[in-house]
Amino acid sequence: EAGVTQFPSHSVIEKGQTVTLRCDPISGHDNLYWYRRVMGKEIKFLLHFVKESKQDESGMPNNRFLAERTGGTYSTLKVQPAELEDSGVYFCASSQVLYNEQFFGPGTRLTVL
Amino acid sequence: KNQVEQSPQSLIILEGKNCTLQCNYTVSPFSNLRWYKQDTGRGPVSLTIMTFSENTKSNGRYTATLDADTKQSSLHITASQLSDSASYICVVSANSNYQLIWGAGTKLIIKP
Repeated sequence: EAGVTQFPSHSVIEKGQTVTLRCDPISGHDNLYWYRRVMGKEIKFLLHFVKESKQDESGMPNNRFLAERTGGTYSTLKVQPAELEDSGVYFCASSQVLYNEQFFGPGTRLTVL
Repeated sequence: KNQVEQSPQSLIILEGKNCTLQCNYTVSPFSNLRWYKQDTGRGPVSLTIMTFSENTKSNGRYTATLDADTKQSSLHITASQLSDSASYICVVSANSNYQLIWGAGTKLIIKP
């Protein structure tokens, strides 16, 4: 069984540009979560989807971040326009049952110059 | 404020030795506590999940303990191997919104 996959693995962009991160959860997992780890800090929750619906987006830092999960399969996280402080590693996770064991992807390392 | 604190920040031990990592939390109301292992460049991998009523849970050479009264947990690694080199992260979930609150992790290095 394939695990959670994320694309790209690395992205380097300039301040003001747009970047879209993609997450493919484990097949059949209705719950999908986005997390972020900025340099030197702990991992923090961004948002949670149940199928295509946003269940909890209280961790989204501001309106430059937009997450979607059309069709309830893969999800995208768009940052527009990117700022320097958006640099970090963005993790996606999925689970079959709400907040039960979550399976993480390898992360996307975003660098904003 | 919901917080998870871990100690030590980093630890170096020789292969074959045991070690214990600590976690203190102030998350309330408590739902469960998890330990994750994160290898460099990889996503976190779950080691154990413990609810309020569980004191100890093992996963191979990893044994986690939980004291819900003092809000402390530990992760004990027995007979360490080079592959145990990683960051170990304590994560607590609150009943109120089930969000995961992450510690900063302990970076463990196993030397041959």
